[in-house]
Amino acid sequence: QQQVKQSPQSLIVQKGGISIINCAYENTAFDYFPWYQQFPGKGPALLIAIRPDVSEKKEGRFTISFNKSAKQFSLHIMDSQPGDSATYFCAASLQGGKLIFGQGTELSVKP
Amino acid sequence: GAGVSQSPSNKVTEKGKDVELRCDPISGHTALYWYRQRLGQGLEFLIYFQGNSAPDKSGLPSDRFSAERTGESVSTLTIQRTQQEDSAVYLCASSRTGIRQPQHFGDGTRLSIL
Repeated sequence: QQQVKQSPQSLIVQKGGISIINCAYENTAFDYFPWYQQFPGKGPALLIAIRPDVSEKKEGRFTISFNKSAKQFSLHIMDSQPGDSATYFCAASLQGGKLIFGQGTELSVKP
Repeated sequence: GAGVSQSPSNKVTEKGKDVELRCDPISGHTALYWYRQRLGQGLEFLIYFQGNSAPDKSGLPSDRFSAERTGESVSTLTIQRTQQEDSAVYLCASSRTGIRQPQHFGDGTRLSIL
């Protein structure tokens, strides 16, 4: 019940295309859902986050869509660029802050 | 400092040795977390410190793992009698408080057990 399931494991997108990564959870007590971007040899960096009382949040080319009834949330990267090539992690937290991470999606954007 | 600092960046040691990893959080951040990332995997929560409260140790995999934090500053993660399965990147993060605040990560310590 503490798991966050992420898909796909890897994704190849053409430059200018839309990258979509999906996550699902079981624990309805989760109250904060961030997405992190990680480049090789670096720590994860926060991209965007959402709370369960909001259905969508957009920051630049990054959008989170949140479906509370389905217990699913997704990251959309619009106009994907080669510089977006990285590993993306969804996560969820309970009150108290510790994050439960998905297994990651390796995104490759082809020029 | 400007970000979370971890040292050493790489550590190679022999099986059975003890290792100590250090984390300097962002100044003013009361919450500090340790995570472990095995190759090609997601991050696993290990331990969480929030101010003067008792730490949440629920993610520590065995009693060989322990962590300390001095006030709201430096933290050390200690692994005793290291095993090959301890090989991973150990990541530290800090946030202003513990609740629904962005966690800022260091670049981790890559631990290799021979």
